[in-house]
Amino acid sequence: DAGVTQSPTHLIKTRGQQVTLRCSPKSGHDTVSWYQQALGQGPQFIFQYYEEEERQRGNFPDRFSGHQFPNYSSELNVNALLLGDSALYLCASANGLYEQYFGPGTRLTVT
Amino acid sequence: QQQVKQSPQSLIVQKGGISIINCAYENTAFDYFPWYQQFPGKGPALLIAIRPDVSEKKEGRFTISFNKSAKQFSLHIMDSQPGDSATYFCAATDSGGGADGLTFGKGTHLIIQP
Repeated sequence: DAGVTQSPTHLIKTRGQQVTLRCSPKSGHDTVSWYQQALGQGPQFIFQYYEEEERQRGNFPDRFSGHQFPNYSSELNVNALLLGDSALYLCASANGLYEQYFGPGTRLTVT
Repeated sequence: QQQVKQSPQSLIVQKGGISIINCAYENTAFDYFPWYQQFPGKGPALLIAIRPDVSEKKEGRFTISFNKSAKQFSLHIMDSQPGDSATYFCAATDSGGGADGLTFGKGTHLIIQP
């Protein structure tokens, strides 16, 4: 049984560009959340998707947007990249109300 | 405003000893408190979680102690092993089930010396 998978593993972008990160949830999970983890910090909640709708959002600007597909996979889009967006982006999935399981993350570097 | 404060920032424990990491929260609506373990280059892995209707939960060598009145909870790792060396995060949410957005502490870098 595959766990949460994310792609790509690493990504380098230039300031002002746009990026799309992808996540496939654990089998049987229908809820996907995205987190940003800066170096040496705890993950920060960006938003959560359930039934293809954004259900909950953390304190992140509108440059951060997402999507959930009918197969429960999800994308995170970041527009107008800033140097401060450099971080590990984590996807977590859950089944209904139960615990979240994290993927390995995508390391984004903005130069 | 940091809603979950974690201490210490780093911790060194001898093999076989007890590792203790503490967290304090401010939001009284929080009702689900998980602990995650993260190795370098990996995503956080759920270790153990507790809800405020119990004061302690034990799974193997890992125990969560919870003090609702003090708004504090802690992770105890008994018989600490070098393989336990990792970064540990406490977290909290107000969903009751853990599926909603988690608020994390800043993490504790634990080193177990052989």
